[in-house]
Amino acid sequence: EVQLLESGGGLVQPGGSLRLSCAASGFTFRNSAMSWVRQAPGKGLEWVSAISGSGGSTYYADSVKGRFTISRDNSKNTLYLQMNSLRAEDTALYYCAKGGGLAAFDMWGQGTMVTVSS
Amino acid sequence: EIVLTQSPGTLSLSPGERATLSCRASQSVSSNFFAWYQQKPGQAPRLLIYGASSRATGIPDRFSGSGSGTDFTLTITRLEPEDFAVYYCQQYGSSQSFGQGTKLEIK
Repeated sequence: EVQLLESGGGLVQPGGSLRLSCAASGFTFRNSAMSWVRQAPGKGLEWVSAISGSGGSTYYADSVKGRFTISRDNSKNTLYLQMNSLRAEDTALYYCAKGGGLAAFDMWGQGTMVTVSS
Repeated sequence: EIVLTQSPGTLSLSPGERATLSCRASQSVSSNFFAWYQQKPGQAPRLLIYGASSRATGIPDRFSGSGSGTDFTLTITRLEPEDFAVYYCQQYGSSQSFGQGTKLEIK
């Protein structure tokens, strides 16, 4: 079964850090670009970051550039998002999605919630 | 950055009717790298259409996409009760961006 399972969300104070993980199964992970997409409570979808299958190319939305780092471990079929200098406006449900670059997002996880608040 | 504007914001229709959702891009979308997603409450989005007009795996043929350049349309013929949801357009030809969503509600 094709599956994406996010973890690592939680409550963090402004200025703090958090690392999200996404465990993939059921497809050839190393051949797939992967992305993070977030959704603030009651709001629409916002693309955050993407990474190529090899991990050699990374891309970021302007809103997170310089604060977030996307990475992957193809030996573990796992995608990561390191989030530093978190702000209240980063509060959202963070989805891991298969796709990115010139590929639509054909598979999504169920999301992990990140809340930035003092 | 390509900005996508969806219309209408809310569409009220009855089961069995035809729905037409629009998305306009601020710049031409290269090579039709354009997609539509459906999201139901409490669920992750689901890919419906990619490449502007290709249905994703398992998507019923009552869903169809059309358009090119800056104007794209999602059409749902003969609405089923399970089709009432929020729909997002996306372009992935120049970085990534999503529209703000159209809520399709039961009239």
